[in-house]
Amino acid sequence: EVQLVESGGGLVKPGGSLRLSCAASGFAFSTYHMNWVRQAPGKGLEWVSSLSSASSYIYYADSLKGRFTISRDNAKNSLFLQMNSLRAEDTAVYYCARGGLYVPSDYWGQGTLVIVSS
Amino acid sequence: EIVLTQSPGTLSLSPGERATLSCRASQSVSSTYLAWYQQKPGQAPRLLIYGASSRATGIPDRFSGSGSGTDFTLTISRLEPEDFAVYYCQQYGSSPVTFGQGTRLEIK
Repeated sequence: EVQLVESGGGLVKPGGSLRLSCAASGFAFSTYHMNWVRQAPGKGLEWVSSLSSASSYIYYADSLKGRFTISRDNAKNSLFLQMNSLRAEDTAVYYCARGGLYVPSDYWGQGTLVIVSS
Repeated sequence: EIVLTQSPGTLSLSPGERATLSCRASQSVSSTYLAWYQQKPGQAPRLLIYGASSRATGIPDRFSGSGSGTDFTLTISRLEPEDFAVYYCQQYGSSPVTFGQGTRLEIK
């Protein structure tokens, strides 16, 4: 069974940093593209970043302006999102999803909530 | 950036009725890279349709997708109580990947 479990969310002050993790199981993680997608409270879905299977291709939403970094550790079946210079508008549930550019997101984690507030 | 506009914003229908949801793109999208997702309150999105018209694994055949170019449609032939949710279209063929703003399907 495919499982994606996010962790690392929480309350952080504006300007702070947070690192999200996504633990994958039930499939050959190293062969799949992976995504982060976020959803602000009461709002729609917003794509954040995608990473190809071997980390050769990385894509980000323009709005992030270099503050976020996606990475993966295929040996540990894990996906990461390093978030720096956090702003109130980054408050959202962050989902890890299997898929990316050219690949539909067919499995999603349950999400981890990030709240940016003083 | 490809902007996806979904209509209507809210659709009020009764169980058993047919639902037609629209997704219009600001520029042409390859049919290969157009998906539809369903999201219920407190849950993660679920992939329904990919490649504009292919049903994802386990999706009932009352869900169907169609369209090409800039106009795409999700049709639910006969609404079941569990189908009332928010639906999003997504294009994943060019960066940035983008989602529509969603259509809320509510019980009339």
